[in-house]
Amino acid sequence: DVKVTQSSRYLVKRTGEKVFLECVQDMDHENMFWYRQDPGLGLRLIYFSYDVKMKEKGDIPEGYSVSREKKERFSLILESASTNQTSMYLCASSATGQGNQPQHFGDGTRLSIL
Amino acid sequence: LAKTTQPISMDSYEGQEVNITCSHNNIATNDYITWYQQFPSQGPRFIIQGYKTKVTNEVASLFIPADRKSSTLSLPRVSLSDTAVYYCLVALLSGNEKLTFGTGTRLTIIP
Repeated sequence: DVKVTQSSRYLVKRTGEKVFLECVQDMDHENMFWYRQDPGLGLRLIYFSYDVKMKEKGDIPEGYSVSREKKERFSLILESASTNQTSMYLCASSATGQGNQPQHFGDGTRLSIL
Repeated sequence: LAKTTQPISMDSYEGQEVNITCSHNNIATNDYITWYQQFPSQGPRFIIQGYKTKVTNEVASLFIPADRKSSTLSLPRVSLSDTAVYYCLVALLSGNEKLTFGTGTRLTIIP
C-alpha cells in the first residue's frame, strides 16, 4: 500500500531555531509537496518538487526552503522559526503520468513555535 | 491559478444524499478537478477525479457542467463515518503542477 511518512507527529521549537521536517515516500513517486494547514485557510502549498534536486515555489514559500537529494525524501526547512509558522504541515507525493495523478498524504506534523 | 470556493460547512442526516459544490471560475482548459476527504489528525485522502461530465466510483459521483466553472461531489446515502472535511482541488494536467486547494467543506452527519 502507498505510504508517506512524516518524521514527527508533534514538534515544539523555539523562535529563531532552524527546524527540519522530514518526509519519506515508498512509492517511487516523482512529485513531492509540502503544505501547511491552518483553520479557515485550508491547505496552502509551500513548495513542491517534480524531480530530485528540483524545486518550485508554491503559494507561500516565504520563510521556508526545501531539499530533495533523493527521490524518496523531501525535507522542509524553517531557516529561523517564527511564531507565525506554528501550523500543521502536510507532505504529499504523486506520480507523473497521463492526466492528473492523485496525491498521497502523510498524517501531518503539528509544529508549535514558542 | 484557478481558485476554488466551497461552502464552509454542511449538515445532513444519515441515509441522505449529500451534494457539495465547488466553484472554480478561472479553471483552465487542461485542469482536472479532484476531491479529497480528511478526517481529524489524518492527511487528506483521494476520493474522485474528473475532467468533464460525470464520473462515478464506488464511494461518490462527480458532476461537472459543460462550462466547467463548478463541480459537485455527490455522496449517496451518507453514514456517520462520512463526517469529515471535503476539499476540492483544481490542478494542471501534468508536469510542473501548481495545485490550489479550496478551504474545504466541513460535513457533519447527524444520526
